[in-house]
Amino acid sequence: SAVISQKPSRDICQRGTSLTIQCQVDSQVTMMFWYRQQPGQSLTLIATANQGSEATYESGFVIDKFPISRPNLTFSTLTVSNMSPEDSSIYLCSVLGTSGSLDTQYFGPGTRLTVL
Amino acid sequence: AQSVTQLDSHVSVSEGTPVLLRCNYSSSYSPSLFWYVQHPNKGLQLLLKYTSAATLVKGINGFEAEFKKSETSFHLTKPSAHMSDAAEYFCVVRDNYGQNFVFGPGTRLSVLP
Repeated sequence: SAVISQKPSRDICQRGTSLTIQCQVDSQVTMMFWYRQQPGQSLTLIATANQGSEATYESGFVIDKFPISRPNLTFSTLTVSNMSPEDSSIYLCSVLGTSGSLDTQYFGPGTRLTVL
Repeated sequence: AQSVTQLDSHVSVSEGTPVLLRCNYSSSYSPSLFWYVQHPNKGLQLLLKYTSAATLVKGINGFEAEFKKSETSFHLTKPSAHMSDAAEYFCVVRDNYGQNFVFGPGTRLSVLP
């Protein structure tokens, strides 16, 4: 399995500002994903972070609101732009496993965002 | 298209009694199925997975699940609940021709002393 860390673990932000969340993996992985978990809800996929090209966004999510970078095979960032209270959620980074577990997702600890 | 139904939003059991968390799925192709657990203020941890090998899958912390194709089910069980099992549990399906993982709505497990 992969070990995934996220920064920050939590933050409280003002409306209209932006926050960049970092995701670091301890090994090179092909697939990285960003999810949102709204309070009391299940996980919703925001996008797949592609190394060396633009992220692939799911329906309802756009690059202007959630720009994503993936400069290499171990690191990605998600920015939540022009935040509103509706963006208050847990944001989770995940990866597909390396050899022997290529079909399994592993998750970071999440970033708990509160927007005032 | 894939989908996952978790029939109970909340299950409450007494410590030492069996746990049953129900999951039904739909998938156009042969699926992979997973159970994840999320403790309060924590990320998701993989409990177990089914990927077309043995239909009875054993996971961590004494949990197991049985894949029943005829019933399109993948229910999670544990013989004896422990207080530390109190958490949110998610059933997840991925068909083997796709990339995306589809999450169920989750079941909150409470364990009473």
